[in-house]
Amino acid sequence: KQEVTQIPAALSVPEGENLVLNCSFTDSAIYNLQWFRQDPGKGLTSLLLIQSSQREQTSGRLNASLDKSSGRSTLYIAASQPGDSATYLCAVGEEQGGSEKLVFGKGTKLTVNP
Amino acid sequence: KAGVTQTPRYLIKTRGQQVTLSCSPISGHRSVSWYQQTPGQGLQFLFEYFSETQRNKGNFPGRFSGRQFSNSRSEMNVSTLELGDSALYLCASNDGRGYETQYFGPGTRLLVL
Repeated sequence: KQEVTQIPAALSVPEGENLVLNCSFTDSAIYNLQWFRQDPGKGLTSLLLIQSSQREQTSGRLNASLDKSSGRSTLYIAASQPGDSATYLCAVGEEQGGSEKLVFGKGTKLTVNP
Repeated sequence: KAGVTQTPRYLIKTRGQQVTLSCSPISGHRSVSWYQQTPGQGLQFLFEYFSETQRNKGNFPGRFSGRQFSNSRSEMNVSTLELGDSALYLCASNDGRGYETQYFGPGTRLLVL
């Protein structure tokens, strides 16, 4: 059974700092990995999708990497801003019943202090 | 394009009642997935529908059911509500043809008293 772990569970940093969020998964038979952002009481916003054949994806100040063989992904946020404060969720996409389902980690709650 | 919409946004029910939640996917998307989010268990997969057929199901009791209509809109139903069903219910859509980005709605927050 796939298990996704995110470390740390919470992180507080001063504005302007570069930071890394970690995600690990137990079964490397994944099709993709997605990073999401969730604001309190809200739905999920997709940040980056990495297909299993890719090593990394970049969008603006965000960079996500994937090492399928070791079961790890990182989300790098450059020059953090207070608006980046949210919970960041990692999810691996795996095949089940002929279609995809996402298995999520519990998230990292990020606070960026002005 | 409009995003994924879910109705209602908030619901309060009592134990034993049943509830129906609705999800309208992004136009052109044929796959709708449902997830339950609780503080203890995090996000868990409920089921996925594609072209009116359930393709995939998570480990939830039979009280949780769903369906999809010909316009790709989906509903999920929970019968005989229990206190533990209190959660944020999220739906997501994509075109269902590959392992692409899933787009989530704002969720329906259900409180069971």
